[in-house]
Amino acid sequence: DSGVTQTPKHLITATGQRVTLRCSPRSGDLSVYWYQQSLDQGLQFLIQYYNGEERAKGNILERFSAQQFPDLHSELNLSSLELGDSALYFCASSVGASNEKLFFGSGTQLSVL
Amino acid sequence: DAKTTQPNSMESNEEEPVHLPCNHSTISGTDYIHWYRQLPSQGPEYVIHGLTSNVNNRMASLAIAEDRKSSTLILHRATLRDAAVYYCTSRGSARQLTFGSGTQLTVLP
Repeated sequence: DSGVTQTPKHLITATGQRVTLRCSPRSGDLSVYWYQQSLDQGLQFLIQYYNGEERAKGNILERFSAQQFPDLHSELNLSSLELGDSALYFCASSVGASNEKLFFGSGTQLSVL
Repeated sequence: DAKTTQPNSMESNEEEPVHLPCNHSTISGTDYIHWYRQLPSQGPEYVIHGLTSNVNNRMASLAIAEDRKSSTLILHRATLRDAAVYYCTSRGSARQLTFGSGTQLTVLP
């Protein structure tokens, strides 16, 4: 158990809908990262938050947004969903801001039908 | 962005050592080399990291070439539970850890 909690584990929705994925980092970790894993693209970095502030941005679509709350949990919002958004979404956390040792959650499997 | 190159797949017999190679010829001089692994149906798991010297922990050893252009992850005695995809990571343009396609390790009983 990494200590990172992601909910829900599975999510099935339809095209055009909006969903919210939730992540609780390990106790004491200030950074939260979001990654997307699909069969054709592998693990892709989406975005990082550190202590409530956006720290780094990767290949995150404009339809996607994230935030980190004062209690350090994070949410990833995916809107106007398309079939191609179906993937595993992982959250990871680390103590500091510099991408040292990351602890990953078990992921949310999103299926867009 | 720094890139890593790993073999797509490797096989090992149970109880034998496994050497998983990675080329990272464009790595910055100050960037650590991180290895993660992903077991089936799980998120990636940290294995080990190092800068210049060889490193050991309870999971594995990391041998880093003197020129830092390559490294080798060593599992001293592979078990069936070590079957996973092993990633050697690099830094992306946003300084994030970037995962390549990894090496699928199969451990044969």
